[in-house]
Amino acid sequence: KAGVTQTPRYLIKTRGQQVTLSCSPISGHRSVSWYQQTPGQGLQFLFEYFSETQRNKGNFPGRFSGRQFSNSRSEMNVSTLELGDSALYLCASRRGGDGELFFGEGSRLTVL
Amino acid sequence: GENVEQHPSTLSVQEGDSAVIKCTYSDSASNYFPWYKQELGKGPQLIIDIRSNVGEKKDQRIAVTLNKTAKHFSLHITETQPEDSAVYFCASQDNAGNMLTFGGGTRLMVKP
Repeated sequence: KAGVTQTPRYLIKTRGQQVTLSCSPISGHRSVSWYQQTPGQGLQFLFEYFSETQRNKGNFPGRFSGRQFSNSRSEMNVSTLELGDSALYLCASRRGGDGELFFGEGSRLTVL
Repeated sequence: GENVEQHPSTLSVQEGDSAVIKCTYSDSASNYFPWYKQELGKGPQLIIDIRSNVGEKKDQRIAVTLNKTAKHFSLHITETQPEDSAVYFCASQDNAGNMLTFGGGTRLMVKP
């Protein structure tokens, strides 16, 4: 079956712009989590959605937001982009509320 | 919140040797400890996991051990092969919100 799909795979933005990233989880998975990966900070948890409700939130500023739709697809948005937001943004899904996360290949954001 | 420390950050071994990666966690109520492997240009993929009611688990050349008293767990890879070269992440899941917190990662290089 199809894995976790993230779009776009690569994008370049300039400071002050906003960006929206999309994630389609594995069919039947109701939980979607987002992580930011940078060389210096590793995998940092952004937020998790389960059945359209935000269940957990990491320590990121309010510029980072997300949502989940009724078909479990999720989007995350970053407003007023800063240079430090350049990173690989990974989406992961799982069937229920715990256990194995299945990751997508990520969306690589470069902020100039 | 949960804090996961992972060591070493880089590890170089000869093909056929063993590799050991260690992690410590802070929340004694954490109940699930997965290990992920991330190859270049891909998202992390689960390779083995262990729950808090088990002390050791093996899967062919890979094993994980858990010491709940000391709050640390380790990944053991025997008879390493060049295709084992990747970045490995440990993680800990808290008992409340089932949020996964990742360690900083270990870059494993297996020299032929």
